[in-house]
Amino acid sequence: QQPVQSPQAVILREGEDAVINCSSSKALYSVHWYRQKHGEAPVFLMILLKGGEQKGHEKISASFNEKKQQSSLYLTASQLSYSGTYFCGTGVDNYGQNFVFGPGTRLSVLP
Amino acid sequence: DAGVIQSPRHEVTEMGQEVTLRCKPISGHDYLFWYRQTMMRGLELLIYFNNNVPIDDSGMPEDRFSAKMPNASFSTLKIQPSEPRDSAVYFCASSLFVTNEKLFFGSGTQLSVL
Repeated sequence: QQPVQSPQAVILREGEDAVINCSSSKALYSVHWYRQKHGEAPVFLMILLKGGEQKGHEKISASFNEKKQQSSLYLTASQLSYSGTYFCGTGVDNYGQNFVFGPGTRLSVLP
Repeated sequence: DAGVIQSPRHEVTEMGQEVTLRCKPISGHDYLFWYRQTMMRGLELLIYFNNNVPIDDSGMPEDRFSAKMPNASFSTLKIQPSEPRDSAVYFCASSLFVTNEKLFFGSGTQLSVL
């Protein structure tokens, strides 16, 4: 079952912050985050595993609330290059079974 | 490393024709995935291979779709006969492992079936 992402779309000005949420009705083992720019392939950002730590990647970080089956992606001081569609992918075990991507959140950063 | 290589980048064909999409995974990656992306359904996993063997093809929409991996460096996704509803972007991806490992995506094939 596909995870739910919110919001569906967000528009920011350069320097502003954004939060993208991903939630599932299933007990999750892992949450993956990818970014896809228009006309390009999705690019890996990070993986969060059950029992793991919050991850960071420059000004992009994420958390994983195992009890709530939710993950949040935090983009701070957004840059024009952050524009794109962000996808979360969720896995329910350590074997990669039933891994499924969410519908995506479109982020537009304006100058 | 050249990354995952897909061909062609764009394919326009007429309904009923056979379409073959090609993929070369990153050398050393044991897993290869075929995804389809549409506005309506997002990124859907069609099939994945481990060491050239198909492991899960439950996402293949119907018998018109088939995928092969004759060796570690080459895979094909074939649609025969093609239909307009098959129009989508088809991505190939590879990874070292299947267990919570990052996927490396190719540039995709934009398929239009008229």
